[in-house]
Amino acid sequence: DQQVKQNSPSLSVQEGRISILNCDYTNSMFDYFLWYKKYPAEGPTFLISISSIKDKNEDGRFTVFLNKSAKHLSLHIVPSQPGDSAVYFCAASLSGGYQKVTFGIGTKLQVIP
Amino acid sequence: DTGVSQDPRHKITKRGQNVTFRCDPISEHNRLYWYRQTLGQGPEFLTYFQNEAQLEKSRLLSDRFSAERPKGSFSTLEIQRTEQGDSAMYLCASSSIKAQETQYFGPGTRLLVL
Repeated sequence: DQQVKQNSPSLSVQEGRISILNCDYTNSMFDYFLWYKKYPAEGPTFLISISSIKDKNEDGRFTVFLNKSAKHLSLHIVPSQPGDSAVYFCAASLSGGYQKVTFGIGTKLQVIP
Repeated sequence: DTGVSQDPRHKITKRGQNVTFRCDPISEHNRLYWYRQTLGQGPEFLTYFQNEAQLEKSRLLSDRFSAERPKGSFSTLEIQRTEQGDSAMYLCASSSIKAQETQYFGPGTRLLVL
């Protein structure tokens, strides 16, 4: 039962262009969403997050958009750089309690120089 | 480096052997989590500690798995009588009271059961 879905297993983008990674969720109780980046042989690195009370959060080249009615979020990377090539995991949790995080299966982003 | 550390980074063992992994969280973080990641999947929650108390265990955590955090600092995850299906990356994460929604992960321990 995949509560967090990343339907695109991979994405290739030219350097300098925008990368858009998408994520859908099914549990309407989720109210906090995170993106993690993972390089091979390393643990996931926290990238950016958004609370359900917002619909947009920016941090430098990274912007996360949340559409609660559609249960959809996306991560925009502008401009994309070769160092952004990694697997990106979308994750969701419930505020309060212990914040167990539920992850998607990841999208592998390749930024082509 | 004050990030989450895990030891060992790699472990190869034979089926039926016991293995133990260690996690040292970020020093001021009172919450510690264990996850397991298999090939092609995202990390899956195993268990969670707040200080020394183990507050939640996933159904993925069979009775062969045990985790401890005796002094509320480092944690250990032990797998008894390992099976080939236990082969995976075991990830530890920690979070603080002030920013409890954001978990910071260690590099993981990759286990291969032969």
